[in-house]
Amino acid sequence: EVQLLESGGGLVQPGGSLRLSCAASGFTFSSYAMSWVRQAPGKGLEWVSSISGSGTLTYYADSVKGRFTISRDNSKNTLYLQMNSLRADDTAVYYCAKDGLYDPIVIIFYYWGQGTLVTVSS
Amino acid sequence: DIQLTQSPSSLSASVGDRVTIACRASQSISSYLNWYQQKPGKAPKLLIFSASSLQSGVPSRFTGSGSGTDFTLAISSLQPEDFATYYCQQSFSTPTFGLGTRLETK
Repeated sequence: EVQLLESGGGLVQPGGSLRLSCAASGFTFSSYAMSWVRQAPGKGLEWVSSISGSGTLTYYADSVKGRFTISRDNSKNTLYLQMNSLRADDTAVYYCAKDGLYDPIVIIFYYWGQGTLVTVSS
Repeated sequence: DIQLTQSPSSLSASVGDRVTIACRASQSISSYLNWYQQKPGKAPKLLIFSASSLQSGVPSRFTGSGSGTDFTLAISSLQPEDFATYYCQQSFSTPTFGLGTRLETK
């Protein structure tokens, strides 16, 4: 059974940093691209970033490019999202999601974690 | 970015009804269209991928159709557990989602 468990969310001041983690199990982690998707309170879904199975290919939404960094440690079956220069409009539940391919070419979010809430506020 | 327009934004129906939700893309996306269901406080769940392929474990009352710019999610014979918000998502290019359709009980 595929399981994705996010952690690392919390309250942070504007301009601050936070690192999210997503622990994966139930599948061969290194064989699949992974993504982060967020959802602001009461709003819809927004793709944030994706990374290939090897970690060599990364993609970002324009809204986070230059501020967020996606990475993975295949030896630990863990996905990360380093978030810097956080703004109020980054407040959201952040989900990690498993793709169906090794490279994030055709991105379909087959499985999702339960999400972790990030609140950016002073 | 490719824009996805869902209609209606909300829908009231009863158990046993058949409902349809539309999703229109701002340009042709072939069959690169996926549908998700989200219940309050829960993560989204993939229902349909590539416009018409049913994800494993999803009941057959859910069907997807369409290609190009116009797509439809149909739910035949609504069950109590189907009342939720539904999102379409395109995987033709940088992923984008529709704004969602809230399906409520009448």
